[in-house]
Amino acid sequence: KQEVTQIPAALSVPEGENLVLNCSFTDSAIYNLQWFRQDPGKGLTSLLLIQSSQREQTSGRLNASLDKSSGRSTLYIAASQPGDSATYLCAVGWGGSYIPTFGRGTSLIVHP
Amino acid sequence: NAGVTQTPKFRVLKTGQSMTLLCAQDMNHEYMYWYRQDPGMGLRLIHYSVGEGTTAKGEVPDGYNVSRLKKQNFLLGLESAAPSQTSVYFCASSYSPQGNTEAFFGQGTRLTVV
Repeated sequence: KQEVTQIPAALSVPEGENLVLNCSFTDSAIYNLQWFRQDPGKGLTSLLLIQSSQREQTSGRLNASLDKSSGRSTLYIAASQPGDSATYLCAVGWGGSYIPTFGRGTSLIVHP
Repeated sequence: NAGVTQTPKFRVLKTGQSMTLLCAQDMNHEYMYWYRQDPGMGLRLIHYSVGEGTTAKGEVPDGYNVSRLKKQNFLLGLESAAPSQTSVYFCASSYSPQGNTEAFFGQGTRLTVV
């Protein structure tokens, strides 16, 4: 069974820290990987999409990398702010299906 | 550009009642999905569709039916609601004819079955 795992499940950091969220997957034959943000009681907002042929994508203070051979992706958040507090979800689409399979997320709290 | 719109946003049902959740997307996406999100369980796929007139089962399809009569709409039905179906339901769409596979989500429907 194809699975997606996110570590850690929860993270609390002081404002200003650079931090890394991890996502691992069991099958390297992926088509794409997408990072989402979810605020409490809200829907999912797409942050970054990495195609299987790419190694990283950047948007502002966010950088996502992909290493298919090791089955890992990382989301790097630079200079974290309290407004970054949310749950971050990783979703993997495997070859041909495009159906996102989700990890359980990392709940991030950035305190002032 | 509305993206993905879900109706209704909240609903309380009694056990045994039926209801239909509506998902509409205006991005001309081929694929549409219904997920449920429960504490500690993450997002689980209920049913999905790879095009107008097609549907397929996901990870947790029991107790649900779907239809996709028009490309832009994907309906999720509960024929006889059970308390175990209390959850937050999310609709999503992806895969444009141009090959963009980014997935977009609706704001969710919070369903309580009493």
